[in-house]
Amino acid sequence: AQRVTQPEKLLSVFKGAPVELKCNYSYSGSPELFWYVQYSRQRLQLLLRHISRESIKGFTADLNKGETSFHLKKPFAQEEDSAMYYCAPPSRAPSGGSNYKLTFGKGTLLTVNP
Amino acid sequence: GAVVSQHPSWVICKSGTSVKIECRSLDFQATTMFWYRQFPKQSLMLMATSNEGSKATYEQGVEKDKFLINHASLTLSTLTVTSAHPEDSSFYICSASFSRGGNSYNEQFFGPGTRLTVL
Repeated sequence: AQRVTQPEKLLSVFKGAPVELKCNYSYSGSPELFWYVQYSRQRLQLLLRHISRESIKGFTADLNKGETSFHLKKPFAQEEDSAMYYCAPPSRAPSGGSNYKLTFGKGTLLTVNP
Repeated sequence: GAVVSQHPSWVICKSGTSVKIECRSLDFQATTMFWYRQFPKQSLMLMATSNEGSKATYEQGVEKDKFLINHASLTLSTLTVTSAHPEDSSFYICSASFSRGGNSYNEQFFGPGTRLTVL
C-alpha cells in the first residue's frame, strides 16, 4: 500500500524565509506524488505533481528516491502561502484507466508570519 | 473551468434521519467522482469511488448501507447518510475527475464540502 508521512503537523516561518514541508513515502514501484493545498475557507486544490517538474507559486518538489522523499520547498515564503498542505500519492481507482484515488497524508499547517 | 459544487454547504439534522448531499460538476462531465470525509483538524479520508452508471467502490471500513452513493449522471453524484447519528457529524467533500485519455493521472477537482451536524 502506498503511504506517506508528513512529520510536521505545524510549521511556522517568517515572511521571506525559506520553507520546506516534508513528505516521506514508503511503497514499492515507481512512485507518483502530488502536493495539494487548502487555503483558509477555500477548497482543496492541486498544487503540483512531481512528474510535471514545474514550479507553482514559487514552490517546487523533487522526488528523491534514495531518501524516499518528496519535500515541498520555496526559497522565500509569503504570507499568502499560509495554508494546509497535503502530500498525496495516487493509486489506480477500481475503474482503472487513468482514474486514480488519493490517499492523503495528515497534512502540515504552514503559517507565514509578517 | 472544472468547477465542482456541493449542496447543501451545511446541514443540521436529528439523530435517526437521513441526509442527502449532492455533488455536481458544473462545466465538465465527470467520469469518476470521489467522496471523502474530514474530521476536525484531521486529514481527508477517502470513503468511496463512483463511476457513472455503476456501483460505488467503498474503502475498507466504510459501511455501504450507511453511506449510499448514487452516480446517476456524468454531472451528479449523491451521498446519502442513512439513519444518521452524532458520530456521523463531519465534513464531507466530493471530488470529480474526467478522462483526458492516455495513461497520465486525471486531476481531481474538489467541491467546497458539506458540514453535517447530527444532533
